[in-house]
Amino acid sequence: EIVMTQSPATLSVSPGERASLSCRASQSISIYLAWYQQKPGQAPRLLIYGASTRATGIPPRFSGSGSGTEFTLTISSLQSEDFAVYYCQQYDNWPRTFGQGTKVEIK
Amino acid sequence: QVQLQQSGPGLVKPSQSLSLTCAISGDSVSSNSAAWNWIRQSPSRGLEWLGRTYYRSKWYNDYAVSVKSRISINPDTSKNQFSLQLNSVTPEDTAIYYCATGNYYMDVWGKGTTVTVSS
Repeated sequence: EIVMTQSPATLSVSPGERASLSCRASQSISIYLAWYQQKPGQAPRLLIYGASTRATGIPPRFSGSGSGTEFTLTISSLQSEDFAVYYCQQYDNWPRTFGQGTKVEIK
Repeated sequence: QVQLQQSGPGLVKPSQSLSLTCAISGDSVSSNSAAWNWIRQSPSRGLEWLGRTYYRSKWYNDYAVSVKSRISINPDTSKNQFSLQLNSVTPEDTAIYYCATGNYYMDVWGKGTTVTVSS
């Protein structure tokens, strides 16, 4: 199965600053990558699919990039509601696998 | 807008079966373009996709190898819902269980059900 590795585990950022989260696949997955946001006590919410396409209703400060094995989620200017855990998921192969998450916390 | 409503017990005894249901509104479980998934989340295993059911002129299932011998996901067309059954549970099956829709990525998620396996 494809192993998804996210870094860093925790990212401390001040509101208004830019955050860059990394996701690496153990083999090439083309652009078949999704990003999710999860807040405490809630289910994950789809942010990005196809590595760079924002899901419905997701604000433009969220952007995704990358292909192959290296991917990045960028939040251009962190708002208070963006402090959460972010997960990547590959859908190039079965089973669908997720990264272990990056927690974005207030600095 | 698809919505998913989960139901089922939060406590299951070891060696027994875990059963959860996910009711669908805004779409049909028999849709020829949708797939209906179960995913769980625990501190030790993270987010783990368990399996799915979908209809493409007939019903299909896909299951994760890790649970393949113990899992069953079934549609209920009369109630527009789908269910998860996981047999012979152990404490390692303690997790938050989510239903979700999506063929590739998970578009919409249920709120989750915390299931504890304990005697």
